[in-house]
Amino acid sequence: GENVEQHPSTLSVQEGDSAVIKCTYSDSASNYFPWYKQELGKRPQLIIDIRSNVGEKKDQRIAVTLNKTAKHFSLHITETQPEDSAVYFCASRPSGNKLIFGAGTRLAVHP
Amino acid sequence: DAGVIQSPRHEVTEMGQEVTLRCKPISGHNSLFWYRQTMMRGLELLIYFNNNVPIDDSGMPEDRFSAKMPNASFSTLKIQPSEPRDSAVYFCATLLGTQTDTQYFGPGTRLTVL
Repeated sequence: GENVEQHPSTLSVQEGDSAVIKCTYSDSASNYFPWYKQELGKRPQLIIDIRSNVGEKKDQRIAVTLNKTAKHFSLHITETQPEDSAVYFCASRPSGNKLIFGAGTRLAVHP
Repeated sequence: DAGVIQSPRHEVTEMGQEVTLRCKPISGHNSLFWYRQTMMRGLELLIYFNNNVPIDDSGMPEDRFSAKMPNASFSTLKIQPSEPRDSAVYFCATLLGTQTDTQYFGPGTRLTVL
């Protein structure tokens, strides 16, 4: 079945640095790739997404890139701030409305 | 808009008891998803419905779990009998429908089975 691998599992950066989280998916039919942010004790919330017909998408300090050939996609956060500290999940959509989530990356931004 | 509503927010029960979790989707959303989140297994899709019809229940762990969506405004996830390994946070999420992609998550129900 479809599998999504996410790396790293934990990431620690200094405030102002960039953070990059990478995901790999297995089903080449996947056509939609969202990223969710989950703060401690809260629900996952969508922060950015990308469809398979686009290679890159940017929203202020957040960007996502997609390499369909390699079946890789990545989240880039620039100028990190302490409030960016959270667990980030990538996901892929192999068919229908079903999302397969990665295992998550715990990001810590230190002042 | 009130967003996705889940109840109860916390549930503590004893092994062997029946547990029912409830979800009210965002009005007009016609797809509904039940997820389970644990430290060991991450965020897993249990089942999802389109227009109140179950589409994919391959993630339902075993016969102790069942889910229903009797109408567009309400869904339940039932565990009978419950076991300690069912302890997790259960999220309901909903999706508007065609030409949209975003799943909106509810606040979750934290279930503890003693």
